[in-house]
Amino acid sequence: DAMVIQNPRYQVTQFGKPVTLSCSQTLNHNVMYWYQQKSSQAPKLLFHYYDKDFNNEADTPDNFQSRRPNTSFCFLDIRSPGLGDAAMYLCATSGLAGGGVNEQFFGPGTRLTVL
Amino acid sequence: AQTVTQSQPEMSVQEAETVTLSCTYDTSENNYYLFWYKQPPSRQMILVIRQEAYKQQNATENRFSVNFQKAAKSFSLKISDSQLGDTAMYFCASRGTGFQKLVFGTGTRLLVSP
Repeated sequence: DAMVIQNPRYQVTQFGKPVTLSCSQTLNHNVMYWYQQKSSQAPKLLFHYYDKDFNNEADTPDNFQSRRPNTSFCFLDIRSPGLGDAAMYLCATSGLAGGGVNEQFFGPGTRLTVL
Repeated sequence: AQTVTQSQPEMSVQEAETVTLSCTYDTSENNYYLFWYKQPPSRQMILVIRQEAYKQQNATENRFSVNFQKAAKSFSLKISDSQLGDTAMYFCASRGTGFQKLVFGTGTRLLVSP
């Protein structure tokens, strides 16, 4: 089945130690998104890629970076994780950035713990 | 700017009963899309149902249906014949046309009990 895959599902890192979260998709969608979701809160969009074009949300801290080497893969890099970065990180994809419903398909998430 | 409000942090329902989750939104867009997403505990978020604002007919997907009141900017979700597997956090969301980001409400935690 076509899907959005996130690895690892659980990640533990130390305060200030860089960490990379991975997302891959078999849907061949051209838009990929990264969300941060803290406990009992709605997902918060960090940034998205439309093909190779990177679009950062205005309030996303510089500590968060992303890479998309090809259509299938997208990475979230947290350069110096703080305790406040502990959260679930969701990757999502959608077919087109333009018109139409273009629903987003979500991965299972990576739960990040910062010690 | 779009906003989405879910005024019910938690709801409970017994198996086989019907429950309605509320959602109101505000937008300046002439056309837009509305969604209900389900996020079960420790599982991924999935789309339950969607509504295109220019369609007057309420969307229905099996046991899930919406009551879309465009003038009132209301988009409630009705779950009929509730099942234990319906236990989850439910997020209402909206998005404009073109590329615009999905705006989520704060969610309603639904517990279905035997």
